Amino acid sequence: ELKVEQNPLFLSMQEGKNYTIYCNYSTTSDRLYWYRQDPGKSLESLFVLLSNGAVKQEGRLMASLDTKARLSTLHITAAVHDLSATYFCAVGMEYGNKLVFGAGTILRVKS
Amino acid sequence: KAGVTQTPRYLIKTRGQQVTLSCSPISGHRSVSWYQQTPGQGLQFLFEYFSETQRNKGNFPGRFSGRQFSNSRSEMNVSTLELGDSALYLCASRVGVNEKLFFGSGTQLSVL
Repeated sequence: ELKVEQNPLFLSMQEGKNYTIYCNYSTTSDRLYWYRQDPGKSLESLFVLLSNGAVKQEGRLMASLDTKARLSTLHITAAVHDLSATYFCAVGMEYGNKLVFGAGTILRVKS
Repeated sequence: KAGVTQTPRYLIKTRGQQVTLSCSPISGHRSVSWYQQTPGQGLQFLFEYFSETQRNKGNFPGRFSGRQFSNSRSEMNVSTLELGDSALYLCASRVGVNEKLFFGSGTQLSVL
């Protein structure tokens, strides 16, 4: 059974600082997704990573995938308050839309 | 382009009742999947439909069922509701397996 672990589960950051969220998964997969969720809202797709060594960046967020280590990272550069949200990683199973989600990382950026 | 549309936004039911939730995917998306989100269990996959056929199913009891129509719209049904079925039910669609999976705003179901 595929397990997806995120850490940390809670992250309190100062504005302007850098930090990384880690996502480990237990079985082979070549599809890794990152989502953002604001309180009371739905999931917003951030990145889709499809191959070993894939790196994608948008604004202050950069995601990478190491399929051999079964590890993805979401790096936050110079955090701003607007980045406060819950971030989920999810791993694609089999063929189709079956994703296994991590527990989520609650990010709070303090000014 | 309209996003994934789910109705209703909120539902309150009592134990033993049944409920039907509706999802209209993004135009052109033939794959629709459903997820349950709870504070305790997180996000869990329910099932996926493609071209009116169930393609994948998660580990939920038979009380949870779904279907997809020829226009790709999907419904999920929960019969004999239990208190533990209280959750946010999210529908998602995408055009291809390597593309982004877009989620709707969800239906918040409360079972009393």
